[in-house]
Amino acid sequence: EPEVTQTPSHQVTQMGQEVILRCVPISNHLYFYWYRQILGQKVEFLVSFYNNEISEKSEIFDDQFSVERPDGSNFTLKIRSTKLEDSAMYFCASEAGGSSYNEQFFGPGTRLTVL
Amino acid sequence: KNEVEQSPQNLTAQEGEFITINCSYSVGISALHWLQQHPGGGIVSLFMLSSGKKKHGRLIATINIQEKHSSLHITASHPRDSAVYICAVGTHYGGSQGNLIFGKGTKLSVKP
Repeated sequence: EPEVTQTPSHQVTQMGQEVILRCVPISNHLYFYWYRQILGQKVEFLVSFYNNEISEKSEIFDDQFSVERPDGSNFTLKIRSTKLEDSAMYFCASEAGGSSYNEQFFGPGTRLTVL
Repeated sequence: KNEVEQSPQNLTAQEGEFITINCSYSVGISALHWLQQHPGGGIVSLFMLSSGKKKHGRLIATINIQEKHSSLHITASHPRDSAVYICAVGTHYGGSQGNLIFGKGTKLSVKP
């Protein structure tokens, strides 16, 4: 069964460093999402991506964040200069599109720890 | 702004008990999702529904659009059902679900 994959599963970084979180969505899906979950809190939307551009972003997704789909398969989230408060679980999701009644498939997550 | 509220926050049950988790939301949605999150953190989709009722094995999900309320039921609960159950709603109409809005989750612990 097709699945969304994410790498790495756990990333530890120093404050101020850049990190890139990688996702491989399900092939032939058209919509891609990043969500994050700070420990003990609810999952929050960061950004959605369609047709090679951002379709929607939340207030959390400031200038420190960027996304791209460099090669038609990977979907990456870059945090330019990490802060302590960026420590969270980051989930990628993909959706087939074509309807507002589509399931979103989640990856296993990347746990980011900023020291 | 759509808010998603779940209750209870925490739930402890004995094996075999019937369990109900509730979710309410404040504005119109395209679909409602019930998700399961295990201690390792991964999220698995259990149900997506926009009306009526769905059943998978011992799990049943219902939604009342007029009352903006959904319930997740687990019959004959088992310790392996222990997890966090999350309600999330899709907000867009058209080509995609759009960004999901999540509830805080209900932490279920089923004791043998």
